[in-house]
Amino acid sequence: ETGVTQTPRHLVMGMTNKKSLKCEQHLGHNAMYWYKQSAKKPLELMFVYNFKEQTENNSVPSRFSPECPNSSHLFLHLHTLQPEDSALYLCASSGRTSGQNPDTQYFGPGTRLTVL
Amino acid sequence: AQSVSQHNHHVILSEAASLELGCNYSYGGTVNLFWYVQYPGQHLQLLLKYFSGDPLVKGIKGFEAEFIKSKFSFNLRKPSVQWSDTAEYFCAVNNRGTYKYIFGTGTRLKVLA
Repeated sequence: ETGVTQTPRHLVMGMTNKKSLKCEQHLGHNAMYWYKQSAKKPLELMFVYNFKEQTENNSVPSRFSPECPNSSHLFLHLHTLQPEDSALYLCASSGRTSGQNPDTQYFGPGTRLTVL
Repeated sequence: AQSVSQHNHHVILSEAASLELGCNYSYGGTVNLFWYVQYPGQHLQLLLKYFSGDPLVKGIKGFEAEFIKSKFSFNLRKPSVQWSDTAEYFCAVNNRGTYKYIFGTGTRLKVLA
């Protein structure tokens, strides 16, 4: 257990569905991240939130919509996805070093998403 | 564009063999460097990290890595691998002062008993 939980662990959805992924961290961290992990590709950083404010949006299509209501919770809202969006979606969180820079990321187990 | 290259995608070793996994990055600024490991069925977890100071860093389970700034490299080493080291290893780079992280494609290590 890393202190970062994700639900659901598996999700199958059609292209016209709307669903949400949830991430919660119990580590007191200030930053939370969404990554996409596809086979044979590097982890792709999608979004970053620092104290609820979005600091990175890595040119992610608008069919992915993040929400960060507080520093402990992060959501990824999905709508009208494509089959190529099928992947493992990882959430991570990080605290800060004494120099106020981002520190080590702690990862959740991921949500395995399949889009039919 | 920034990138992280891990040259070995699959490595198979016998127990007690020495391991070195390559990692090179492209970025001219100041970076923090990480190696993460993902054991079968488990989360990604930190193996070791370099922020500053001694360029030879030691991590968990006998792993170490050396930051060579002139070569933009951060190679991972272990003198004698064990069967339990079978996992996927990821190198990552963070542009210091930002929340931007770039990961390599990973190296799958299989250690034969």
